[in-house]
Amino acid sequence: GAGVSQSPSNKVTEKGKDVELRCDPISGHTALYWYRQSLGQGLEFLIYFQGNSAPDKSGLPSDRFSAERTGGSVSTLTIQRTQQEDSAVYLCASSGDVPPYEQYFGPGTRLTVT
Amino acid sequence: AQSVSQHNHHVILSEAASLELGCNYSYGGTVNLFWYVQYPGQHLQLLLKYFSGDPLVKGIKGFEAEFIKSKFSFNLRKPSVQWSDTAEYFCAVSPSGTYKYIFGTGTRLKVLA
Repeated sequence: GAGVSQSPSNKVTEKGKDVELRCDPISGHTALYWYRQSLGQGLEFLIYFQGNSAPDKSGLPSDRFSAERTGGSVSTLTIQRTQQEDSAVYLCASSGDVPPYEQYFGPGTRLTVT
Repeated sequence: AQSVSQHNHHVILSEAASLELGCNYSYGGTVNLFWYVQYPGQHLQLLLKYFSGDPLVKGIKGFEAEFIKSKFSFNLRKPSVQWSDTAEYFCAVSPSGTYKYIFGTGTRLKVLA
């Protein structure tokens, strides 16, 4: 079946603009995760959604970052008033509800803030 | 705070050499453990996982890892690497019963042909 998809694959934006990144998880997966991957920093957890539970937002670095998941499927990560330090690859993953909740990753969105 | 340490940031090996990548975590409870691999230009994909049972787990492409609970370690091994193993390897820990993963900073492996 289809894997996790993300769009756009690349995004270049000017400092101060808002951006929206989209993630389509694997159909039927109940959990969805966002990570940020910066050079030499590994994968930084941002937020995850699980079913109808309140999202775990503990990894969001500032109030400029927000995410929503509509209808338990597609998710959008929004970054407001982008800064140069926001430049990174933003990865989305999804998992089913069978332990150990193996995560399947999308190809990522490379964000460059100029 | 929970954390995962991968002490080797860059590793360069010749083909046929043996590989061991270190992974240590800090968490006092029961955990699930994972190694993910990212080949150049590709998605992150699961290499192997430990959930329960035999602490020596085998994954794809001849990789294996051993969970040593007393050392909080989950080192990745391969007896003979190939040029195609050139990639970045990430260790991840998930407290049992939770969906949250904590990833290490990754190890870049370069295998010379």
